[in-house]
Amino acid sequence: ETGVTQTPRHLVMGMTNKKSLKCEQHLGHNAMYWYKQSAKKPLELMFVYSLEERVENNSVPSRFSPECPNSSHLFLHLHTLQPEDSALYLCASSQELAFADTQYFGPGTRLTVL
Amino acid sequence: AQKVTQAQTEISVVEKEDVTLDCVYETRDTTYYLFWYKQPPSGELVFLIRRNSFDEQNEISGRYSWNFQKSTSSFNFTITASQVVDSAVYFCALSDFGGTDKLIFGTGTRLQVFP
Repeated sequence: ETGVTQTPRHLVMGMTNKKSLKCEQHLGHNAMYWYKQSAKKPLELMFVYSLEERVENNSVPSRFSPECPNSSHLFLHLHTLQPEDSALYLCASSQELAFADTQYFGPGTRLTVL
Repeated sequence: AQKVTQAQTEISVVEKEDVTLDCVYETRDTTYYLFWYKQPPSGELVFLIRRNSFDEQNEISGRYSWNFQKSTSSFNFTITASQVVDSAVYFCALSDFGGTDKLIFGTGTRLQVFP
């Protein structure tokens, strides 16, 4: 595997379910990100991790819970979601948490909440 | 404040036409980086180019070229002889020193290339 991978690619869940999104980067990067992309809205940065420490949480509801067990893996745990949470969730990584560094994105998980 | 504006919501062209996607940015910093990403229907954001604020040279990569003009705060992207595979949403983004390392995206331009 190369680059940034995300699983699953598609997920349908009910509002009472608990599920997790997984992201893995094979680039040796130290920073990882979760973004949400809803229809007709700009990309929203949700969480940022640098060297496994969370450095940003952009007022994201607590029903989204990130986890970064090591610099290569990032999870987004989901519980009691709402239909408006349906979106494309993108993971990205960069060499460091620095404004000059390029972020490389995974293919995304398309989430549908029923 | 940082801002990226992509005024063109959607562009349609016929194959082999040239097309330019506009990007206008706002920043108070003198040191910043500009990016273009391509998002095909599969969803992945594909990195195309990064340009720093001190390098105003235009760049060409195959059929792609970028025109960076600080005087007008623009970083436009041109596809020459467009192909159907160029159909995608294209995002311009800005990252500056004062932006706490965030990447600020424009709203994207959807390009449709018809055969």
